[in-house]
Amino acid sequence: DIQMTQSPSSLSASVGDRVTITCRASQGISNSLAWYQQKPGKAPKLLLYAAIKLESGVPSRFSGSGSGTDYTLTISSLQPEDFATYYCQQYYSTPNTFGQGTKLEIK
Amino acid sequence: QVQLQESGPGLVKSSETLSLTCTVSGGSISNYYWSWIRQPPGKGLEWIGYIYYSGSTNYNPSLKSRVTISVDTSKNQFSLKLSSVTAADTAVYYCARSPIISRLLFDYWGQGTLVTVSS
Repeated sequence: DIQMTQSPSSLSASVGDRVTITCRASQGISNSLAWYQQKPGKAPKLLLYAAIKLESGVPSRFSGSGSGTDYTLTISSLQPEDFATYYCQQYYSTPNTFGQGTKLEIK
Repeated sequence: QVQLQESGPGLVKSSETLSLTCTVSGGSISNYYWSWIRQPPGKGLEWIGYIYYSGSTNYNPSLKSRVTISVDTSKNQFSLKLSSVTAADTAVYYCARSPIISRLLFDYWGQGTLVTVSS
């Protein structure tokens, strides 16, 4: 299985801040990388796929980058509704696997 | 707008079989892959397996010996059976749809249902 490692595990930030979350795969995944946002008691929501493509309806303050084994999710200006847990997922090979999550909290 | 809804017992006894159904509304189950994903309380996400509307399946090797996923296109439903459950199978179970571009990506999710395994 491909292991996905996110950093940091938790992050405190303020409204308006720019934040970056990193995800590293244990082997190359050819940009087959998705990011999900999960709020307490809710299902995950797909934000980006193919490392850089924004899912329909997702605000443009979310962006993705990376290649090979290293990928990042950037939120350009945090909004109150962005405080949540974020997961990366590789869908390059089965079984698809998720990172352990990054909890984004209000400072 | 596609909607998914999980249903089934919220409490299962250890060593018995967990059974859940996902009902799809607002769209057809045809031509898509459908998955089950679970999340133990306070932990991360684990993909269990998927089924294509035609019935072909693929399971996570870590659970393969205990998992069966089936589909009923006439009811727009698909189901999960997980046998010989233990406390480690206590989790919120989600059903999800995969978009055309990848059978391992998930664009629509159910709200999730908590299944607790009791001894």
